[in-house]
Amino acid sequence: KNQVEQSPQSLIILEGKNCTLQCNYTVSPFSNLRWYKQDTGRGPVSLTIMTFSENTKSNGRYTATLDADTKQSSLHITASQLSDSASYICVVILTGGGNKLTFGTGTQLKVEL
Amino acid sequence: KAGVTQTPRYLIKTRGQQVTLSCSPISGHRSVSWYQQTPGQGLQFLFEYFSETQRNKGNFPGRFSGRQFSNSRSEMNVSTLELGDSALYLCASSLTTGVDQPQHFGDGTRLSIL
Repeated sequence: KNQVEQSPQSLIILEGKNCTLQCNYTVSPFSNLRWYKQDTGRGPVSLTIMTFSENTKSNGRYTATLDADTKQSSLHITASQLSDSASYICVVILTGGGNKLTFGTGTQLKVEL
Repeated sequence: KAGVTQTPRYLIKTRGQQVTLSCSPISGHRSVSWYQQTPGQGLQFLFEYFSETQRNKGNFPGRFSGRQFSNSRSEMNVSTLELGDSALYLCASSLTTGVDQPQHFGDGTRLSIL
């Protein structure tokens, strides 16, 4: 079982609408949680980085939230644009030394006219 | 400032061969990490190099190896290629090592094994 679960697996929304992507994790203790956007054929690009003590972090139309008690994070996209069509990946980075990155398998978002 | 550059972008090999992939980090970045991305497994960490030393390693067989040069450029080598090695190999650089360091990814090398 993947230690970082993302839902939904895929999502289609109309341009201009809002959407929320979910990330549930079981790994701990963690140092920080990151959301990446990956366009088709490109490398991932960082959207937000949150430490375990932060509840929310925004980057333009992207807002990430974190609930360390329930081990849940969400990425909210406001007023979606066609260019938001991409895969969104949640990554949990563990503490304790070493590069312990645990990746979710991503949510594939498609924004349509 | 130029981003992370990976070469080649695409590569086709046959089973049993070996391959070397190259990654040039952002100027001034000294840490380079490698990842494998497949549709089934998603992104998986291979290893990280900092100051020409391997700092961390993921759970991959010894066929996967890497090195880093004094200019921080890094290479990854895969020997005795298997069909399951077909994947997108991504390189990411950061200023220094450490879990709080933001990483900047290249666009990857798409490796196909026939």
